[in-house]
Amino acid sequence: KAGVTQTPRYLIKTRGQQVTLSCSPISGHRSVSWYQQTPGQGLQFLFEYFSETQRNKGNFPGRFSGRQFSNSRSEMNVSTLELGDSALYLCASSPPPRRGAGETQYFGPGTRLLVL
Amino acid sequence: AQKITQTQPGMFVQEKEAVTLDCTYDTSDPSYGLFWYKQPSSGEMIFLIYQGSYDQQNATEGRYSLNFQKARKSANLVISASQLGDSAMYFCAMREPSKTSYDKVIFGPGTSLSVIP
Repeated sequence: KAGVTQTPRYLIKTRGQQVTLSCSPISGHRSVSWYQQTPGQGLQFLFEYFSETQRNKGNFPGRFSGRQFSNSRSEMNVSTLELGDSALYLCASSPPPRRGAGETQYFGPGTRLLVL
Repeated sequence: AQKITQTQPGMFVQEKEAVTLDCTYDTSDPSYGLFWYKQPSSGEMIFLIYQGSYDQQNATEGRYSLNFQKARKSANLVISASQLGDSAMYFCAMREPSKTSYDKVIFGPGTSLSVIP
């Protein structure tokens, strides 16, 4: 099975621009979560999508948005980029829960965004 | 208030020895989930183990086990028989479900583990 893929892997943008990052989950996984990692703030949860619906959301401004398509692929969009948005953006997919088993997540390689 | 505390910024362990990475959490909700992740210097994030607050037994996954002490709000990760490839940052995280709003997912600051040959 192919793993979680994220595109692009690296991205350079300037302040004020917008960016769209893509995440393709493992086949059969319907849950996709997004995380931001910065040296200053550490790891922070952005949002989670399940079956095209936003199921969970972290404490980020409205400039951060996401969506999930019917094939479970997910995109996140950041509008009006700020210098502080420079980060590693990680996507993870989760398989359907199994009775008696705990949760599991599989991460993609991440997208490194640099805002100049 | 700090919800997830990892008191060890850095740790060293001899290869083949066991090591315990500390994690304490703060919640008033009886239902929550605890996670541990590993991040090598390459930057990839690897999910290691999950413990639900109602799980009766400590979670185990291969060489990883979670020492869950609910009353002490402690969820330490134990790595048995350390290997050189275990050198990485380790993050503890908690998810608090919410009935009225979104779940909260909070990460600790991480512990850097170095395995010495």
